[in-house]
Amino acid sequence: QVQLVESGGGLVKPGGSLRLSCAASGFIFSDYYMSWIRQAPGKGLEWVSHISNSKTYTNYADSAKGRFTISRDNAKNSLYLQMNSLRAEDTAVYYCVKERGPFDAFDNWGQGTMVTVSS
Amino acid sequence: EIVMTQSPATLSVSPGERATLSCRASQSVSSKLAWYQQKPGQAPRLLIYGASTRATGIPARFSGSGSGTEFTLTISSLQSEDFAFYYCQQYDDWPLTFGQGTKVEIK
Repeated sequence: QVQLVESGGGLVKPGGSLRLSCAASGFIFSDYYMSWIRQAPGKGLEWVSHISNSKTYTNYADSAKGRFTISRDNAKNSLYLQMNSLRAEDTAVYYCVKERGPFDAFDNWGQGTMVTVSS
Repeated sequence: EIVMTQSPATLSVSPGERATLSCRASQSVSSKLAWYQQKPGQAPRLLIYGASTRATGIPARFSGSGSGTEFTLTISSLQSEDFAFYYCQQYDDWPLTFGQGTKVEIK
């Protein structure tokens, strides 16, 4: 079965950096587009970033552009999100998510990793 | 940006009754619309994609309809495990956007 396990969250000061990782298993990782989606405490869902299976295409929400970088290592079945210049409003649970197909719905979600930006 | 608006914000329903949730897009998304269920402390789960196709393992009491800008999720007979938050999401254009959610609570 599909498993997505995030790691790398934690407490960071405003202006700091954090790198999230997601270990994928149970499917052919290199065949699928992947995304990061976040949810601030008590709030709704916000798509953050997306990467194609071959790394050719990436896309970002305006809130992430210029500060976050999505990447993947298909040999390691892993997805990453490098987050720089973190702000209080980046505080959220970050989910690693598999897409059904290119530019399609999100059919498998990890359990999430909490990122808290606070001084 | 395509804005997704869900209504109502909260829906109070008795077990066994029918629940109808609405989602409106600020511009046409064709049928590129998904519905997700989220329970407290859990990750969201895909229910419906392509506006009306149930995802793997989703019970038949969940159905989706609509196209363009108006969409509906219907739960035909609410079970105790269905009380949760529900989100719609469009994947027709960037940025991908979600509705603000509908909470389905026990009446």
